[in-house]
Amino acid sequence: KAGVTQTPRYLIKTRGQQVTLSCSPISGHRSVSWYQQTPGQGLQFLFEYFSETQRNKGNFPGRFSGRQFSNSRSEMNVSTLELGDSALYLCASSINPGLAGGNEQFFGPGTRLTVL
Amino acid sequence: KNQVEQSPQSLIILEGKNCTLQCNYTVSPFSNLRWYKQDTGRGPVSLTIMTFSENTKSNGRYTATLDADTKQSSLHITASQLSDSASYICVVTVSGYSTLTFGKGTMLLVSP
Repeated sequence: KAGVTQTPRYLIKTRGQQVTLSCSPISGHRSVSWYQQTPGQGLQFLFEYFSETQRNKGNFPGRFSGRQFSNSRSEMNVSTLELGDSALYLCASSINPGLAGGNEQFFGPGTRLTVL
Repeated sequence: KNQVEQSPQSLIILEGKNCTLQCNYTVSPFSNLRWYKQDTGRGPVSLTIMTFSENTKSNGRYTATLDADTKQSSLHITASQLSDSASYICVVTVSGYSTLTFGKGTMLLVSP
């Protein structure tokens, strides 16, 4: 089985722009979660989508949004970029977190976003 | 508040030596605890997972222990190799759902 893929791998934007990141989960996985990782804060949960519905949301401003498509692929969007948004954005997929043993998350390689 | 604290923050050891990383958590109710290895610029990869009833789990040279009473876990790396240089992240799952609480990780550098 192919792993979780994320595109693009690297991205450079300027302040005020917006960006869309894409994540393709492992085949058969219906849950996709997004995380922001910075050196000082570690991994921080952004949101989780399951069957095209946002099921959990972390403590991030409304500039961060996401969606999931019927094939479980997910996108996240960041509008009005700020310098502090520079980070590694990780996507993780799982079968169905609600099932016993189903909550193991498999991470993609991440998208490195740099905001200038 | 659910929290996961890891120590040390960073560690340098010589190749071939052993080391132990610590994880203390206050997550409740507890479902399971995982250790992830994250190479620089890559996504985390799961090393071990332990539920409440398990107190030891091994994966090659990696051995994780769990004391659910004291809410502590450790990851022991035996005969370290240069490829062990990475960040090791402790992640605790809240029972019943997908909420994960992450530690900030321990950065391990194995020196030749």
